[in-house]
Amino acid sequence: DVKVTQSSRYLVKRTGEKVFLECVQDMDHENMFWYRQDPGLGLRLIYFSYDVKMKEKGDIPEGYSVSREKKERFSLILESASTNQTSMYLCASSLLHLPKTQYFGPGTRLLVL
Amino acid sequence: GQNIDQPTEMTATEGAIVQINCTYQTSGFNGLFWYQQHAGEAPTFLSYNVLDGLEEKGRFSSFLSRSKGYSYLLLKELQMKDSASYLCAVREERRNSGYSTLTFGKGTMLLVSP
Repeated sequence: DVKVTQSSRYLVKRTGEKVFLECVQDMDHENMFWYRQDPGLGLRLIYFSYDVKMKEKGDIPEGYSVSREKKERFSLILESASTNQTSMYLCASSLLHLPKTQYFGPGTRLLVL
Repeated sequence: GQNIDQPTEMTATEGAIVQINCTYQTSGFNGLFWYQQHAGEAPTFLSYNVLDGLEEKGRFSSFLSRSKGYSYLLLKELQMKDSASYLCAVREERRNSGYSTLTFGKGTMLLVSP
C-alpha cells in the first residue's frame, strides 16, 4: 500500500510566522505535489516536483515556496503566513510513468490567526 | 487552462444507482480520474480513463467520451458509506513546462439516504 504522511493534522499559527508543512512518501515515487482545498474552490495545485531539487509552480504559487532535498520528502513553506492561507493542505505523490495516479496524504488543516 | 464542471450536490437512496457527470474543456487531454473523498479525509483513487468507453470496477464504473469532453461515474447498489464527495480530475500538459498535472473539479457531494 502506498503511504503518504504529513507532519501535522492540525496547525495553528500567527500572521507573519514562517510555517513548514512536511510530506513523506514511502513508495519511491518520483512525483510529489502540494494542493490546498477550500470550500467552493476545490483542490488547487500550489507546487509540484518531478525529481530531487526540482520544483515547478502550480496554479497558485504566490506566498509559498517548496523544498525537495530527498526523493521521499517534499516540504511546503509559507514564508510569512497570512490569514488567507488558512486552508486544508494536501500532499500527493505518483510514479513517473502512466497512469501517474496520485495518492494523497491525510491533509493538514492550517489556521492562521 | 481548463474548465471542469460537475454538479454540486446529489441525493440518492440506499440500493439505487446514481450517475455523476463531469464535463471538461482542455487543450491537451491526457487522462481523466475519479476520486472519492469522505468528510475530513484525503481523496482516494477510484478510476482512470484515457480511452473512450466504460471501465468497470465492482460497484463503480466510469465512462469517457473524449470527443464530447464528457465523463460519468456510475455507482450501483448504493450504500450509506458511499455518502462522500466525488472529484473529477483531468490530466493536461502544462503549457509552460511540458509536465502534465491534474486539474480538479469542485466535487459532487453525494448524500445516500436509507
